[in-house]
Amino acid sequence: KQEVTQIPAALSVPEGENLVLNCSFTDSAIYNLQWFRQDPGKGLTSLLLIQSSQREQTSGRLNASLDKSSGRSTLYIAASQPGDSATYLCAASSNTGKLIFGQGTTLQVKP
Amino acid sequence: GAGVSQSPSNKVTEKGKDVELRCDPISGHTALYWYRQSLGQGLEFLIYFQGNSAPDKSGLPSDRFSAERTGGSVSTLTIQRTQQEDSAVYLCASSLEPRISDTQYFGPGTRLTVL
Repeated sequence: KQEVTQIPAALSVPEGENLVLNCSFTDSAIYNLQWFRQDPGKGLTSLLLIQSSQREQTSGRLNASLDKSSGRSTLYIAASQPGDSATYLCAASSNTGKLIFGQGTTLQVKP
Repeated sequence: GAGVSQSPSNKVTEKGKDVELRCDPISGHTALYWYRQSLGQGLEFLIYFQGNSAPDKSGLPSDRFSAERTGGSVSTLTIQRTQQEDSAVYLCASSLEPRISDTQYFGPGTRLTVL
């Protein structure tokens, strides 16, 4: 049974700092790995999707990496801004598209 | 364009009542998913519809939960004889046909409170 863990559970950083969010999964037979952002009281917004054959994906200040053999993914946020404050969720996908989510990392970027 | 929409946004009900939650996926998306987000359990998969295939119901927590998708578009999640532990935010997501694009687009959710 796939289990997804995110560390840390919460993170507070000053504006401008680069930061890394960690995600680990127990079953390396994933179809893809997705990172989402969730703002309070809102739904999820897809940030990056890494197919199982890929090693990383980039979008603006965000870079996500995937190492299937070690069961790990990281989300790197460069030059953090207060608007980046949110909960970040990673999810491992089976080939049916079913997502198994981690518990999330709540990020606060202080001005 | 229009995203995934869900209704109602909030629902308060009494224990033992039945509730229906609605999801309108993005037009043209063949895959539709229901998830539940609660404080104690995080985000959990409930059910998955893909085209005309039999749905994957492996995440439904009990036989009080059921879902249908009519005409390959709108979906309704029904919870019968609601219990307090059913209180959660119910999220719907849709995606294009698998192997074309796997990105799931989420609706804003329905917050269900069972008194």
